[in-house]
Amino acid sequence: QSVLTQPPSVSGAPGQRVIISCTGSSSSIGAGHDVHWYQHLPGTVPKLLIRGNNNRPSGVPDRFSGSKSGTSASLAITGLQAEDEADYYCQSYDSSLSGSWVFGGGTRLTVL
Amino acid sequence: QVQLMESGGGVVQAGGSLRLSCAASRFAFGTYGMHWVRQGPGKGLEWVAFIRYAGGKKQSAESVKGRFTISRDNSKNTLYLQMNSLRPEDTAVYYCARDLDGYFDLWGRGTLVTVSS
Repeated sequence: QSVLTQPPSVSGAPGQRVIISCTGSSSSIGAGHDVHWYQHLPGTVPKLLIRGNNNRPSGVPDRFSGSKSGTSASLAITGLQAEDEADYYCQSYDSSLSGSWVFGGGTRLTVL
Repeated sequence: QVQLMESGGGVVQAGGSLRLSCAASRFAFGTYGMHWVRQGPGKGLEWVAFIRYAGGKKQSAESVKGRFTISRDNSKNTLYLQMNSLRPEDTAVYYCARDLDGYFDLWGRGTLVTVSS
């Protein structure tokens, strides 16, 4: 069971907008720790999509955006494209016990 | 180019040991904190361990505490993960990753560890 909770799957048609949620707790996202997002295609290396809640690294299309509020965060993808079909993970830090970096369980995006 | 490359994976029996290495290229390895992250078959990403740039501070996940040890040799630009008392649930692709302000900005391609029962 992951410290951060994501829906197992989301889907959308090409051109549509989807949102992936990430719910944490008072010791993770709610404690003010930043949320980051990764895209992972099978057989490849995870790719950083969003850093520091809502910042895109260079090369990431502006179709991808992040937000954070309270103990939750979300990733929005607009203008869905076939190549967006992948697994998406949120990541943060949890300061309970001795502290640990934490991932969500991952969300499989299917482009219909 | 800037890269990380893991090695040392393989098949080991439950209760056995394995040492993973991660060689860093073309960046100032000694100025970055480093992590190990794993992904079991059909599972999501799981953080395993972290070591600060000078090696003084280490943190590890509860699932591996007391069994896995992270270390580094900055003179060799290499990160290590010593894995002891391996269990079938440790079967995974193990990635090394560079830390930048709490996120993972550079990943290796991963090395597969299979623990047989």
